Formats: sequence, structure tokens, C-alpha cells
Amino acid sequence: QLQLQESGPGLVKPSETLSLTCTVSGGSITNSNYYGGWIRQPPGKGLEWIGSIYYSGSTYYNPSLKSRVTISVDTSKNQVSLRLSSVTAADTAVYYCAREKGSYSAFDIWGQGTMVTVSS
Amino acid sequence: QSVLTQPPSVSGAPGQRVTISCTGSSSNIGAFYDVHWYQQLPGTAPKLLIYDNNNRPSGVPDRFSGSKSGTSASLAITGLQAEDEADYYCQSYDSSLSGSVFGGGTKLTV
Repeated sequence: QLQLQESGPGLVKPSETLSLTCTVSGGSITNSNYYGGWIRQPPGKGLEWIGSIYYSGSTYYNPSLKSRVTISVDTSKNQVSLRLSSVTAADTAVYYCAREKGSYSAFDIWGQGTMVTVSS
Repeated sequence: QSVLTQPPSVSGAPGQRVTISCTGSSSNIGAFYDVHWYQQLPGTAPKLLIYDNNNRPSGVPDRFSGSKSGTSASLAITGLQAEDEADYYCQSYDSSLSGSVFGGGTKLTV
């Protein structure tokens, strides 16, 4: 059973870079049918897609975040990483990693999420 | 303002049927991109409920069904149960944004 687990600092200072890692267990991240995605949810608000990556390294980002986001994959560690630069309080959210069934497709397996607060 | 529009809330009595709408445009649902639905129970991660418009993952009861027509999609829940009380989100792909988009979410009260 594939499982995803997010990890990283729970507190980040304004203007700094948020860095999170999603570790995949119970299967290989290099399955050619799937992508890895990041989605976030500010407290009390809805879901926002951040971006997705194919195991080959091809990336797709939300245009509203594109200038600040980098998603990468480390196949040797079975991990997908997220970096979000120049954070502000508006970036405070629960960050989820999820497996995307294919391009234009559903997110079928989700991590439990990790809360990141941006505050000095 | 979400690209996909959902009603903020719906409610129903146990045993009843409710529907949740998801309205998009010609660059997403109307462009024949599939619609997916998620259920988010309080304090938990979203769970895939319906994929590719009307398909249920293994383990999802057949009380949940999805449909799509034109630039809109709907999630129907029959035989409402107390444990169905949750937030529900629709998701699709938008060609103008070149990425996934979510609805604003609908809170179901049973």
C-alpha cells in the first residue's frame, strides 16, 4: 500500500524559503503512470494546487506561484520536494503531497499533511 | 475566487439525497477535462471520492455518484448518513492556467 509522508519545519520566517519533503513508501516513485503533486490549504479555506512533477523531472506549476516555487524529485530516495521562496503570512497553510494518477488526472493518494506557519 | 464554483453549503436529513454542483467554464469542465471529487472530514486529508466524472475508487460506497454536463458537474449523495458530514471539493484541469484547479468547497451538514 503506497503511503506518502510530508516533513519539514513547522515555522518559517517571512521572506525566507519554505522547504518540505514528501517521502514515498510501499512503492516506487518512478512508476511511469504517475505524477507527484503538492496542494495547500490555508486555515479555514479551500484547496490550492501548487504544482506537480513527473518522475523524469518535468514540472507544472500554478501560475500564481510559479515565480516562487520549485518542485524536484529524488528517485534514489523516493522523495519529492517543495521549495517556496519569499514567503509571507499568506503562505501559512497545511501542505499536502499527493499522487496524481496521470496528466490532467485525480490525486488518488494523499499524505496526512503538514502545517507550516509563516511568522517572525 | 475559485475557478470552479461550488455552493458554500448544503444540508439534508439522514436518508435523504443531496447534490453538490461544480460550475466551470470552456477552459476546464467545458473543454472535456475530467472532474474529480474529494471528501475532507474534519482535521483530515482529502480523500478521493469520484474520479473521471463518475468512477468510484475501491471502497467508496455506491451512495456517492458523479455526473458531468456542459460546463458543470455534480456530486450526488443518496441515503445520507451522519458520517457524510464533511467538506467536498471538485477538481479539474484548466487549459488557460495549464494546471489543476479546485472548487472552493462545499460544507455538507447532515
